[in-house]
Amino acid sequence: GQQVMQIPQYQHVQEGEDFTTYCNSSTTLSNIQWYKQRPGGHPVFLIQLVKSGEVKKQKRLTFQFGEAKKNSSLHITATQTTDVGTYFCAFRPGGGNKLTFGTGTQLKVEL
Amino acid sequence: DTGVSQDPRHKITKRGQNVTFRCDPISEHNRLYWYRQTLGQGPEFLTYFQNEAQLEKSRLLSDRFSAERPKGSFSTLEIQRTEQGDSAMYLCASSLATGGAGGYTFGSGTRLTVV
Repeated sequence: GQQVMQIPQYQHVQEGEDFTTYCNSSTTLSNIQWYKQRPGGHPVFLIQLVKSGEVKKQKRLTFQFGEAKKNSSLHITATQTTDVGTYFCAFRPGGGNKLTFGTGTQLKVEL
Repeated sequence: DTGVSQDPRHKITKRGQNVTFRCDPISEHNRLYWYRQTLGQGPEFLTYFQNEAQLEKSRLLSDRFSAERPKGSFSTLEIQRTEQGDSAMYLCASSLATGGAGGYTFGSGTRLTVV
């Protein structure tokens, strides 16, 4: 079945540095969602992208869906310690109801 | 309460015992999902309901696992004859049937440890 890979698997940054995680698929995706999971917590929905080339912003977070709808990225500007956690991309194969998660990128922010 | 509630938060059981978990979704959400997550991995889909109908089950879900949503509100997930490999976080989520634009709302999960 369809799968997505995320890179990098881990990222350590100094507070104030930028961070980007990438989500890549070998096949076209009808949609992509992003979730954040704090250490010891549960996934929290951030956003959904459905259109080719779509870019959405939430404060310091910028989400992008590739033109070919095979990749997506999440960029955080000027990271803060509150950004610590694992960021997952996820998609619904064929636009159906089952959400399939990527491998995740664990972000650590050091003061 | 506006969130998804799961009970219990933690469960330690001996191998071979049966366990049951409960999930109370957001009341307006007609879709309910069960996921399993192990350390360092993303959540893995187990099954989902639309109202009381179980519409899809993962091949990961062996015949020792059963889920119900009898009245289209709360759901239970039962694992019979638990094995050590069943140790994981079991997450419940709910959503509206509107194409997923609002995403899934997850509960805090039930952490199962089989000893």
